[in-house]
Amino acid sequence: KQEVTQIPAALSVPEGENLVLNCSFTDSAIYNLQWFRQDPGKGLTSLLLIQSSQREQTSGRLNASLDKSSGRSTLYIAASQPGDSATYLCAVRPEARGSQGNLIFGKGTKLSVKP
Amino acid sequence: NAGVTQTPKFQVLKTGQSMTLQCAQDMNHNSMYWYRQDPGMGLRLIYYSASEGTTDKGEVPNGYNVSRLNKREFSLRLESAAPSQTSVYFCASSEDRRTNYGYTFGSGTRLTVV
Repeated sequence: KQEVTQIPAALSVPEGENLVLNCSFTDSAIYNLQWFRQDPGKGLTSLLLIQSSQREQTSGRLNASLDKSSGRSTLYIAASQPGDSATYLCAVRPEARGSQGNLIFGKGTKLSVKP
Repeated sequence: NAGVTQTPKFQVLKTGQSMTLQCAQDMNHNSMYWYRQDPGMGLRLIYYSASEGTTDKGEVPNGYNVSRLNKREFSLRLESAAPSQTSVYFCASSEDRRTNYGYTFGSGTRLTVV
């Protein structure tokens, strides 16, 4: 059964710092990996989608990498800002039949960027 | 704006009451999903619909029923609400569950059962 783990569970950094969020998954048979942002009391906003054949995706100050064979992904945030404070969720889409082929989430990393 | 719309945004129910959570998407996606989010548990799949006319159970289906009314709409029904169903419910859609497309999520329904 696919499991997704995110480390650390919480992170507090000063404004301007570059930071890395980690995501690991137990089964490398995936279609893609998706990073989401969730603000308190709000829904999920998709940040980046990496296909299984890709190594990385970039959007503005965000860069996500994928090492499918080792079951790891990282989300790099450059020059962090207080507005980046949120919970970041990693999710994989397994190559599996039935309900196991649907998006599997990690429990998230809660990021706080202090001015 | 294109996306996934959920109603209501907030709801308080008494134990034993029933209600239906509504979800609609305007992106012409084939697949739709219902997740619940609980502290310490993350997001867990309740039911999904791979295409219009089909529905299947996810990880935590007990106590829920779903209806894929048409390609746009996918509703979640609680027949007899229990305090354990207090949660935040998210609807999502994707182009196809067997392709490389990402998921789009609604803003959620915050349900409290007292």
